[in-house]
Amino acid sequence: SYELTQPLSVSVALGQTAKLTCAGDNIGTKNVCWYQQKSGQAPVLIIYRDNNRPSGIPERFSGSNSGNTATLTISRGQLGDEGDYYCQVWASDSVIFGGGTKLTVL
Amino acid sequence: EVQLVESGGGLVQPGGSLRLSCAVSGFTFSNSAMNWVRQAPGKGLEWVSTISDRGDTTYYADSVKGRFLISRDNSDNTLLLQMDSLSAEDTAVYYCARVELWFGENYFYFMDVWGKGTTVTVSS
Repeated sequence: SYELTQPLSVSVALGQTAKLTCAGDNIGTKNVCWYQQKSGQAPVLIIYRDNNRPSGIPERFSGSNSGNTATLTISRGQLGDEGDYYCQVWASDSVIFGGGTKLTVL
Repeated sequence: EVQLVESGGGLVQPGGSLRLSCAVSGFTFSNSAMNWVRQAPGKGLEWVSTISDRGDTTYYADSVKGRFLISRDNSDNTLLLQMDSLSAEDTAVYYCARVELWFGENYFYFMDVWGKGTTVTVSS
């Protein structure tokens, strides 16, 4: 079955850029989306179809996808960006989530 | 305003059953696929099941296949999840979410609106 691999944790200095990766076999041929989940809250869609932002999501969040890695880039990191981030694809008649990355803003 | 409100969670004994509901408002429910996603305590997101807009196509995670049944009532704007033969491994917060999907060329699938979740605890 298809698998997505995310680093367990990423740290970013306040105001700097964080890059969160999501690795999967030929993931560049799939449409990837990303969710942000803050502590105690439901997930929120922040990127869909690789690089599209839903309304209300700041331009600081962007996505890319090529080869075996999809990347979520968070520019000008803020304390409010702390939380867990999950990538997701559809594969083999299933929804596949990555294990999630915990983002810490220092 | 788009709203999804889950209900029906609670404490159930191993081997028992529970039925979750998700009441939807603010959009045309019958035009949207829907799914359930769960999150065990301290763990990541796990997809459970998906149902098409008309309810004629369903998908299940292997972990729940044969035990869970997803359905919908488009006349009542309600998504349902019947859960049978529950075990401790089913303990989780269960979220319903609206799905945008396309299964043609360049297929995609994402969940653009989520409920706040309902908690299911399986324990004796």
